[in-house]
Amino acid sequence: QVQLQESGPGLVKPSQTLSLTCTVSGGSITTGGSYWSWIRQHPEKGLEWIGYIYYSGSTYYNPSLKSRVTISGDTSKNQFSLNLTSLTAADTAVYFCARGTWAHRDFDFWGQGTPVTVSS
Amino acid sequence: EIVLTQSPGTLSLSPGERATLSCRASQSVSGSYLAWYQQKPGQAPRLLIYGASSRATGIPDRFSGSGSGTEFTLTISSLEPEDFAVYYCQQYGSSPPYSFGQGTKLEIK
Repeated sequence: QVQLQESGPGLVKPSQTLSLTCTVSGGSITTGGSYWSWIRQHPEKGLEWIGYIYYSGSTYYNPSLKSRVTISGDTSKNQFSLNLTSLTAADTAVYFCARGTWAHRDFDFWGQGTPVTVSS
Repeated sequence: EIVLTQSPGTLSLSPGERATLSCRASQSVSGSYLAWYQQKPGQAPRLLIYGASSRATGIPDRFSGSGSGTEFTLTISSLEPEDFAVYYCQQYGSSPPYSFGQGTKLEIK
């Protein structure tokens, strides 16, 4: 059973950079066919896909966030990370990491989510 | 970008009743790459249905999915108390590759 766990600061100031890490257990981020994604959910709103990193290290980002997003992986720790720059209040959300599957193009395992507030 | 529109926004039903949730796409969803998720307060979404009609591992058979192209449906044949939650559909397609509907809240009548 794959498990994911997000970690990072719960409060970040406007204009700063958000850095979150997702630690994966029960599976390897170097396994083909898995797309390690970040997804966020604004308060009382729906879900927004941010981007993914593939086992090869290739990345793909939501065009709406592309200029501010970087996703990277650390195979030695079986982790992947999200950096989101130039934060505003609109980035306040719960951030989830999840495993995307190539076979079905869905997300079969999710972290519990970590709330992030952007405020001075 | 493919926009998913879910209806109704809120559905009020009683345990034992049948629930029918709709997800309409602005363009045809390629390969029937349409999934459904259930989310309860304070929890992550849980995958219910993938490929429009296949149940994910451990999902009870009262949950079923159907549809193709631009019209998809999630049906819960007989509601259990634990089924009251928010349900999202998700598609894979053109840029951005993943998008979600705005959700349907299933509440107890």
